[in-house]
Amino acid sequence: QKEVEQNSGPLSVPEGAIASLNCTYSDRGSQSFFWYRQYSGKSPELIMFIYSNGDKEDGRFTAQLNKASQYVSLLIRDSQPSDSATYLCAESWGNNRLAFGKGNQVVVIP
Amino acid sequence: EPEVTQTPSHQVTQMGQEVILRCVPISNHLYFYWYRQILGQKVEFLVSFYNNEISEKSEIFDDQFSVERPDGSNFTLKIRSTKLEDSAMYFCASTAGEGEQFFGPGTRLTVL
Repeated sequence: QKEVEQNSGPLSVPEGAIASLNCTYSDRGSQSFFWYRQYSGKSPELIMFIYSNGDKEDGRFTAQLNKASQYVSLLIRDSQPSDSATYLCAESWGNNRLAFGKGNQVVVIP
Repeated sequence: EPEVTQTPSHQVTQMGQEVILRCVPISNHLYFYWYRQILGQKVEFLVSFYNNEISEKSEIFDDQFSVERPDGSNFTLKIRSTKLEDSAMYFCASTAGEGEQFFGPGTRLTVL
């Protein structure tokens, strides 16, 4: 059974600041990782994915993957109130089934 | 922009009744999935479907569940005899291949 852990409590950041989210995974052989954003009562919305060690940037978002330490992180630069949501880390395995973490709630304070 | 659609948005049913949840995946996608999310809990994988057959299923996906692609566009999840604990949001997702999955808006199933 794949385990994806997101253990931090709600994260409050002032508007314009950087929000930093972390996720750890149990299987050293895992290859593909995804960050989804989920607004309350809505479906997960893909933000970005990462396969290779290192950083991947897309606009205000940067994903970081460290396979040796088995963690994935997401940085949100210049946080906006519209970024207030729950962020889900997911790992792909088997026939591309996704194993999700519980999510981290982010609140951006204007 | 193409998107996954799901109907109905909310389904209320009595315990023991059968329900069918419908999804229209993105048109050129080949892999289809169902996930569910019980209120306040994580998103859980149910089943994946490729080339007109189930490619993988979780332990949640027992004999009460079935999936079907009845035509070239629809993908359905049937629950034969609903239980109270089946109350959840059910999400359909699709992907063109080994990569990002795009989720539909979900169907909220309430079992009374």
